[in-house]
Amino acid sequence: DAGVIQSPRHEVTEMGQEVTLRCKPISGHNSLFWYRQTMMRGLELLIYFNNNVPIDDSGMPEDRFSAKMPNASFSTLKIQPSEPRDSAVYFCASSFSSIFNEQFFGPGTRLTVL
Amino acid sequence: GQQLNQSPQSMFIQEGEDVSMNCTSSSIFNTWLWYKQDPGEGPVLLIALYKAGELTSNGRLTAQFGITRKDSFLNISASIPSDVGIYFCAGQLGGYGKLTFGQGTILTVHP
Repeated sequence: DAGVIQSPRHEVTEMGQEVTLRCKPISGHNSLFWYRQTMMRGLELLIYFNNNVPIDDSGMPEDRFSAKMPNASFSTLKIQPSEPRDSAVYFCASSFSSIFNEQFFGPGTRLTVL
Repeated sequence: GQQLNQSPQSMFIQEGEDVSMNCTSSSIFNTWLWYKQDPGEGPVLLIALYKAGELTSNGRLTAQFGITRKDSFLNISASIPSDVGIYFCAGQLGGYGKLTFGQGTILTVHP
């Protein structure tokens, strides 16, 4: 079975540009999570969706960040405009709602903002 | 808010040795999870614990959910080079709560 799929795996962009990260959760999972990982702050939850509805976005750092889940098999995390401090690895994870705790992570997108 | 303290921060061991790492929390959790992250990859779930006192094994890995619900440990027996990576604990308070992650333990195994 395919795991969580993320694209792109690497993204290098210039400050001020819009960045869109994409995620396809495991088929049948109905909870989806976006995390950011940095050396300084570790793994931080940005936002999570249940049945395509955003449940908690309190981890989204600022209005420059937005996330959508238009259907059960696709989600995007957008940063506009991007800044150098947004450089990090962004992970998407998914789980069954009934086994909410067991989150399965994608391979991540390494974002570098110059 | 909830904080997890994971220790040690790093370990350098010889192949064949046993490893132990733990996490402590300032508040209780209902679920403890242990993940391993290889370089350039996402965290992979190793063991999930759902009940205070629970002891669960997965091959050479054993994890326990502390009785106080504020701590958990992970043991790796007879380490091998492919055990190298970063190990994270994570706790969750409610069925629909966030996962709070520890800072990670970096494990290096010398052949």
